Parts: sequence; C-alpha cells; structure tokens
Amino acid sequence: DAGVTQSPTHLIKTRGQQVTLRCSPKSGHDTVSWYQQALGQGPQFIFQYYEEEERQRGNFPDRFSGHQFPNYSSELNVNALLLGDSALYLCASSERKLAGGTDTQYFGPGTRLTVL
Amino acid sequence: AQTVTQSQPEMSVQEAETVTLSCTYDTSESDYYLFWYKQPPSRQMILVIRQEAYKQQNATENRFSVNFQKAAKSFSLKISDSQLGDAAMYFCAPSFGNEKLTFGTGTRLTIIP
Repeated sequence: DAGVTQSPTHLIKTRGQQVTLRCSPKSGHDTVSWYQQALGQGPQFIFQYYEEEERQRGNFPDRFSGHQFPNYSSELNVNALLLGDSALYLCASSERKLAGGTDTQYFGPGTRLTVL
Repeated sequence: AQTVTQSQPEMSVQEAETVTLSCTYDTSESDYYLFWYKQPPSRQMILVIRQEAYKQQNATENRFSVNFQKAAKSFSLKISDSQLGDAAMYFCAPSFGNEKLTFGTGTRLTIIP
C-alpha cells in the first residue's frame, strides 16, 4: 500500500515565477492538507481540501491556491514567488470522519522549494 | 488563539535510557486529538503516537508513551530504552477541532551512544 507521495522532490525557481506542487494521498484517504515548513521551524498550515473544495485556510496570502481532483490527489500553486517562499512543502492525507473533522494525518516526503 | 509550546529546543539522552519531551498548549476547544511526530534528517514527518482528548487513559506505542494532563493542557512524550534511530526533531501537534494540525517549534533529540 503506497503512502502519501509528492512531486517533485526538489524545485528551484526565481522570484516572480509560479510553481505547482503535487500530492497523491494514501489509499483510502479523501482529505489533503498542505503545510509550509521554513528552515528550523515547525510546519504551518496552508489549507485543507475535501470533496474538491477548500475547507479550511491558514494565514497565507491569495498567492497560495490549490485544487483537489476527483481521485483525491491535490495540487498547491504559488504565484509571484518571493524569496520568503523558500521552504519544505508538506502534504498530509487523512480520512474524513462521519462525525466531522479529520482523522490522523499522514505526511508525504515533502517538496523542497528554493526561490532565488 | 491556539498556541503550542515546546520549551526544550534540544535534548540529549544516553542510549537505552529514558527521556521525556514536554509540550503545553492553549485552546478553548473541548474535542481534539494530540499527536507527536518525529522528523529525522530525511525530512519525512512520521507519526509517533496519538491521544484523544476525551480519553483519560494515556496512549502507548511500544517504547513511546504519553502523559496527558487535560486540565493542565500538557502532553509530554516519554521514550523508553532510547535507540540511535530515535534521533530526530520531535513535534507536538494538537488537532484542535479535529481539523488542521498546529505544530510546536520542535525539540531536537540527540542519542548518545
């Protein structure tokens, strides 16, 4: 059973460019959450997708957008890249609970984005 | 605001000994889960243990156990019989309202052979 996968592993972009990161959830999971982890810090929540809609959003600007596909995979898009966007981007998948909320989140290996 | 505090930026322990990592949090939520994740140099965030806030019994997973004090909003992780492979960054991460994870700043654990 494949776990959460992310692509690409590493990415180098220049300021002002746009980037798309991809995530495939663990089998049986229907919810995808994205986190940004700057060097030496804990991950910060960006947003969460369920049923192809953004359900929750953290304190990130509109330059950060996402999408979830019918097969539950997800993309994170960042426009007009800034130097400060350099970070490890983590995707986590989970299963929606009938009573609401999401169950345990399992993480992918991350995408290291460097903005020059 | 919901906050998570890990007051020990770095900890070290002799191999085979026991170490406890501390975590406190602040929330007005009554229903939530609490997690400990480890992140070795490979960057992969790995689930260590989870605790449901409504359960009084502390969770255990082999050598890992927690001391959950709901009233004190404290959630510490105890690692028994420490092994070299336990060396990693450890993050406390409650899921308030059972939605997003809120991470602490992490504790870097070093295992001394």
